[in-house]
Amino acid sequence: GENVEQHPSTLSVQEGDSAVIKCTYSDSASNYFPWYKQELGKGPQLIIDIRSNVGEKKDQRIAVTLNKTAKHFSLHITETQPEDSAVYFCAASKPGGSYIPTFGRGTSLIVHP
Amino acid sequence: DTGVSQDPRHKITKRGQNVTFRCDPISEHNRLYWYRQTLGQGPEFLTYFQNEAQLEKSRLLSDRFSAERPKGSFSTLEIQRTEQGDSAMYLCASSRTETDTQYFGPGTRLTVL
Repeated sequence: GENVEQHPSTLSVQEGDSAVIKCTYSDSASNYFPWYKQELGKGPQLIIDIRSNVGEKKDQRIAVTLNKTAKHFSLHITETQPEDSAVYFCAASKPGGSYIPTFGRGTSLIVHP
Repeated sequence: DTGVSQDPRHKITKRGQNVTFRCDPISEHNRLYWYRQTLGQGPEFLTYFQNEAQLEKSRLLSDRFSAERPKGSFSTLEIQRTEQGDSAMYLCASSRTETDTQYFGPGTRLTVL
């Protein structure tokens, strides 16, 4: 089955800096890659996603890039703010798997004011 | 619409007891998913429904677990004869179709003493 590796497990930045979280996946059939943000005591919330027919997608301060050849994708957050502090999960899914996502282990992002 | 809701938010039980959780998906979402999340891990898929039909179960779903979605609306997840290893956050998500975004509820945190 699919295996998703996520790095780093913890990321500490100063407010205003950029943050990058990287994920790799194993199944070349995966074609949908969502990113979720989970705050303490809450369920994961989708922040951005990308499908395999595009290499990059941006939404204000958040961007995701996808390299299908290398089977890795990354989340970029610019101008970080303290409210960006949370656990971020990447995931990969594919049509043959009913689009059930396989999640990475998460990255705890801490933004210091 | 207020999103996916789950009840209860927290449940403490003694080993060997049965527990039942409820999930109310976003209205008109045909797909409903159950996940389990333990500390430091991403959500792990348990099972999903297309309307009232349970279409897939993960190997994580032992025979002590049962899920239902009568009438294709809300769903319940029951754990019989709970074990300490069942302690986790149980998340519910829903989506309109197979390829649409999954929206998560706040989760039910289960503690088995």
